Amino acid sequence: QVQLQESGPGLVKPSQTLSLTCTVSGGSISSGGYYWSWIRQHPGKGLEWIGYIYYSGSTYYNPSLKSRVTISVDTSKNQFSLKLSSVTAADTAVYYCARASLHFDYWGQGTLVTVSS
Amino acid sequence: QSVLTQPPSVSAAPGQKVTISCSGSSSNIGNNYVSWYQQLPGTAPKLLIYENNKRPSGIPDRFSGSKSGTSATLGITGLQTGDEADYYCGTWDSSLSAPYVFGTGTKVTVL
Repeated sequence: QVQLQESGPGLVKPSQTLSLTCTVSGGSISSGGYYWSWIRQHPGKGLEWIGYIYYSGSTYYNPSLKSRVTISVDTSKNQFSLKLSSVTAADTAVYYCARASLHFDYWGQGTLVTVSS
Repeated sequence: QSVLTQPPSVSAAPGQKVTISCSGSSSNIGNNYVSWYQQLPGTAPKLLIYENNKRPSGIPDRFSGSKSGTSATLGITGLQTGDEADYYCGTWDSSLSAPYVFGTGTKVTVL
């Protein structure tokens, strides 16, 4: 059973960089075939796809966030990470990591990140 | 804003049936598989239907999916109080919008 777990600060100051890590267990990122993704959900709102990374390191980002997003992978630790720069209050959301192929079959529990001074 | 449109809410009594529509375009639903996700209050979304009409292991056959043209539909029969949740459709998109798009979400209320 694949499991994903997000970790990182729950509070980030405006203009700083949000950094989260997703640790994968029960399956190897290096095995290929999946796109390791970040998705967020603003309070009381719908789901927004942020981007994904393949085990090889190739990435694809949501055009609306592309200038501020970096997703990286550390296959030795079976982890992938999200960095979102120059955050504002509008980036306050629950951030989920998930595994994707044609669909998202495994999700982390989510972590709330609040942007506030 | 999402490119996939769902009704904000649907409701029915226990035991009844509800359907949720998901309307898109040729760049997304029209040329890609649709999946559906159930989000119970305070929890992460869970895959409910994939490849238009397939159910993951453990999902009861009360849940069904279909697709026609640029629209998809989720059906829930024998409605239970435990089905109260938000439901999202999702699919890949080949336009300039985000490669993966989710629907606007539908709140299911069991009366």
